[in-house]
Amino acid sequence: DSGVTQTPKHLITATGQRVTLRCSPRSGDLSVYWYQQSLDQGLQFLIQYYNGEERAKGNILERFSAQQFPDLHSELNLSSLELGDSALYFCASSSRGQLNSPLHFGNGTRLTVT
Amino acid sequence: AQTVTQSQPEMSVQEAETVTLSCTYDTSESDYYLFWYKQPPSRQMILVIRQEAYKQQNATENRFSVNFQKAAKSFSLKISDSQLGDAAMYFCAFENTGNQFYFGTGTSLTVIP
Repeated sequence: DSGVTQTPKHLITATGQRVTLRCSPRSGDLSVYWYQQSLDQGLQFLIQYYNGEERAKGNILERFSAQQFPDLHSELNLSSLELGDSALYFCASSSRGQLNSPLHFGNGTRLTVT
Repeated sequence: AQTVTQSQPEMSVQEAETVTLSCTYDTSESDYYLFWYKQPPSRQMILVIRQEAYKQQNATENRFSVNFQKAAKSFSLKISDSQLGDAAMYFCAFENTGNQFYFGTGTSLTVIP
């Protein structure tokens, strides 16, 4: 168990809809990262937060947004969903500022857009 | 920008044999960290092994070891005595001092009984 909790595990929704994915980082971790993994693809970095502030942005679509709250949990909002948004969305956390602090991944949220 | 390259999309190994997965990276930084992650069919991401760039000694975790060649910017993973449970996608990852992580495209490892 990595200590990172993602909810829900599965999500099925229709095109055009909006969903929210939730992530609770490992206890003590201040950094949260979001990744998208489509079928048989690698990990696409979406966005990184540190202690409530956005630190880095990757290939995140304008239809997607995220935030990290004062209690350090994070939410990824996906709107105007398209079929191509179907993927496994990972949240990961790390202890930013510490040497050699690896990413600890949640089990992912599997999003299916129909 | 840092890039991570895994040139072997697929590899296979006989059970109990040894296999080496390749990874190269490109960076102008001198201090960074390297990781190998395993993604089994369950699609969980599991940390396998880590290596600090400033350490010359290669990291080892049981049957898993790395061959870190800093000058060549190479970070390969060796799996000894391969087991059926080692079958997975393996991702090489690079972390810079800004705590940004870059992943390779992965190598799919098949273990043949």
